[in-house]
Order: sequence, then structure tokens, then C-alpha cells
Amino acid sequence: KAGVTQTPRYLIKTRGQQVTLSCSPISGHRSVSWYQQTPGQGLQFLFEYFSETQRNKGNFPGRFSGRQFSNSRSEMNVSTLELGDSALYLCASSLGEWETQYFGPGTRLLVL
Amino acid sequence: QKEVEQNSGPLSVPEGAIASLNCTYSDRGSQSFFWYRQYSGKSPELIMFIYSNGDKEDGRFTAQLNKASQYVSLLIRDSQPSDSATYLCAVNTFNKFYFGSGTKLNVKP
Repeated sequence: KAGVTQTPRYLIKTRGQQVTLSCSPISGHRSVSWYQQTPGQGLQFLFEYFSETQRNKGNFPGRFSGRQFSNSRSEMNVSTLELGDSALYLCASSLGEWETQYFGPGTRLLVL
Repeated sequence: QKEVEQNSGPLSVPEGAIASLNCTYSDRGSQSFFWYRQYSGKSPELIMFIYSNGDKEDGRFTAQLNKASQYVSLLIRDSQPSDSATYLCAVNTFNKFYFGSGTKLNVKP
């Protein structure tokens, strides 16, 4: 069974731009979570989608948004990029509630 | 207080020794507990999970859970240099995953 895939793997943007990241979960998984990982803050939860509905949200500003499609694929959007948004963005999928999360390879975003 | 606390390390052990990694969590309502391994520049990969008090063994790895003490640990027997990585403890509390900051393990040949 194919794992979680994320595209693109690397991205360079400038301040003020916006970016969209994509995540395809493991086949059959309906829950997709997004995390931001930085050396200083570790893994921080952004949001979680289940059956196209945002079920949980972390403490990030409204510039960070996401959505999930009927095929469980998910996208994350960051608008008005700031230097501090430079990070590894990880997507994780799971079958559902209380289930183990499996991570994708991540998208490394650099904001200049 | 952070939801999940881990000693950042680094924890250095000689090859062949037992590495002991510890994690505490703050919410007594937490239901499931996970250990992930993350190599530098890579994404976290699941090592094992545990739901019930006691020990759970999988090969060289043993997870231990003590809900009364709100404590989770991971033991790695016969540590190998390839085990050198950052180990993340994760806790699922009412369907939110909280991750510790990770413990860096160095296994010296």
C-alpha cells in the first residue's frame, strides 16, 4: 500500500506570497492532519480534517488554512508568507479517531 | 505546562547497551501513546504505540505505560548506531495529537 505523499517536496517563496501544499493520504485513510516543524518549536499541530470537515485546529493565525476533498486528499494554504513560516510541513493520515498517524515525507518551505 | 515533556538530550549510549527514553504527559484523559523515530532531515516514522498500562514489546523495542504516573517510556535493547535519531513521544488526547520536543539519541560504536 502506498504511503502518504506530499507535493511539492521543496519550495522557495518570498515574503508576502502565498503557497499551497498538497497531501494524499494512505488509501482508505479518512483523517488528515497537518503539522509545522521547526528546530525551535518542534512539531506543532495545525489542523485535522476528517471526511472533508475540519475537526480540530491548533493555535495558528488565520493565514493558515486547509481543506479536504471527497477523495480525502488535503491541501494547506498559507497566505501573506512571513520569514517565520519557513519550516518543514508534515502531513499525517490515519484511519480515523484514536488511530495511529502515519507521516508523509514533508514539504520544506523556505521564505526569503 | 506543555502537554508532553521529554528530555531533549542528547542521550549517549554505547553500542549494544539499553537506551531508555522517557516522556511525561499532563492530561489524565489521554487515551493512546506513540513513539516515533525521526532521522535528521526526514519525517517521523512510527515505532510503536501503546494503549494499556504495562509493557508492550516489539523486537528490540519495549514501550512502557503508567497512566497513574502519566509516564511513558521506550526501551531500546542492543542499541545500534543506526538507532541514532530523535525520538518523539506523542499522546492522543480527545483526538488531538500532542508531540514532545523529542530526545536525541546517540549510539556510539
